[in-house]
Order: sequence, then C-alpha cells, then structure tokens
Amino acid sequence: DTAVSQTPKYLVTQMGNDKSIKCEQNLGHDTMYWYKQDSKKFLKIMFSYNNKELIINETVPNRFSPKSPDKAHLNLHINSLELGDSAVYFCASSRPPGGRVSDTQYFGPGTRLTVL
Amino acid sequence: SQQGEEDPQALSIQEGENATMNCSYKTSINNLQWYRQNSGRGLVHLILIRSNEREKHSGRLRVTLDTSKKSSSLLITASRAADTASYFCATVPNSGGYQKVTFGTGTKLQVIP
Repeated sequence: DTAVSQTPKYLVTQMGNDKSIKCEQNLGHDTMYWYKQDSKKFLKIMFSYNNKELIINETVPNRFSPKSPDKAHLNLHINSLELGDSAVYFCASSRPPGGRVSDTQYFGPGTRLTVL
Repeated sequence: SQQGEEDPQALSIQEGENATMNCSYKTSINNLQWYRQNSGRGLVHLILIRSNEREKHSGRLRVTLDTSKKSSSLLITASRAADTASYFCATVPNSGGYQKVTFGTGTKLQVIP
C-alpha cells in the first residue's frame, strides 16, 4: 500500500512543452509539499498546501503552478519547460501537530524530469 | 541561504564500523530531522529531535543536538552494506506562522561489505 504516490516516475520532454506531475497520499495528512532536487542532490521546497490552501510559495517561476483539488492530491503543472527544469521532483505530506510546525515528512518516489 | 550544511560530503567505511555525520545550521530551530535517501528513491524519515532534547536513540541510530553550537550529529553503529545511502538533516525554524523544512546538502555514505 503506497503512502505517497507520484506519476509519472520518468518524464522526458522537449523544451517549450507543458507537462503535469500528479501526487496522491493515502495517509490522511493535512499538508502536502513539492520539492525539487537538483543534480547535486540539493533539495529545495517549492510549494506547500494545507487543506487545499497554499501556505508556502517559494521563489519559483510562475511557469510552475500547483493545484490541490482535495487534501489528498497535489498536482504540479509546468508551462513552457526549460532545460534548467530538469531535476527530480518529490511530493511529500505531513500532518503538522497544532496545524503549523512541520513534523515528519513522508516522501513519494520522485519524478525524474528531463527536458531536451 | 541554505539552512543545513552537512559534513563530510562523502564517507566510505567498512561494514561493522561506525559512521558519524554532522549537520550545522544557522537559525533557532523548533526541531531537527534526519532522513535517508537510497539511490533513485524518495527520502525516508529516520529520527526527529526537538530543540529541548539533547540525545535520541532509534535502533542503531543515535542523534545528538547541541543548540548552543547549532549542530547535530547522526551516528550509525555497526554499519551494514544496506546503510549505503545519502543522509540529510532537515531543520524547522522556531518562528511564527507556517514553517518549512529546510534540507541540508547531504552526506553520501558508502558501506563496503
């Protein structure tokens, strides 16, 4: 039983295309995240949603747009893909105690995006 | 700027030896977490230590936290080949509002059978 799942696992596409990555968690968590891990393994938060509300929005190009249809799903849509977008994108979820302070994060398996 | 910096960047040891990884951070924290990432996989949570705790154990893992030095260490005792992975520390700041987890640069551990 997969706790946090992402699709697709691999995504190879041409520059300029638009693509989406989907994430679902069956842990009943309130908060979900998108992270980007670059080729040097540096992991950086992009967005966070709590109960479908955007709570963290880091300095990310507006070509990246997250969407949370319900608290179990958080999708990431990327417009006009660029070479520099190539990375591994991880979805994660957590249930912050008291609703604010981040606790244990549960990660998905990652989506490796390659932009040609 | 990045919150957590890990040291060493890479570590290679023989099976059965102990492995120690260090993490330094810059601002006041609510808690510090350690994660493991196997090659090509997502991160897996190992242990969380809160700012009012100094040491925590979980199986072969021992984590210490020194808030005066803004540093933490992860000790893996009696290492196994299966411990080969990258290890990341992650910090949650002690400030108001929604908090974000900031990850360090990671230590790549290789355990040689």
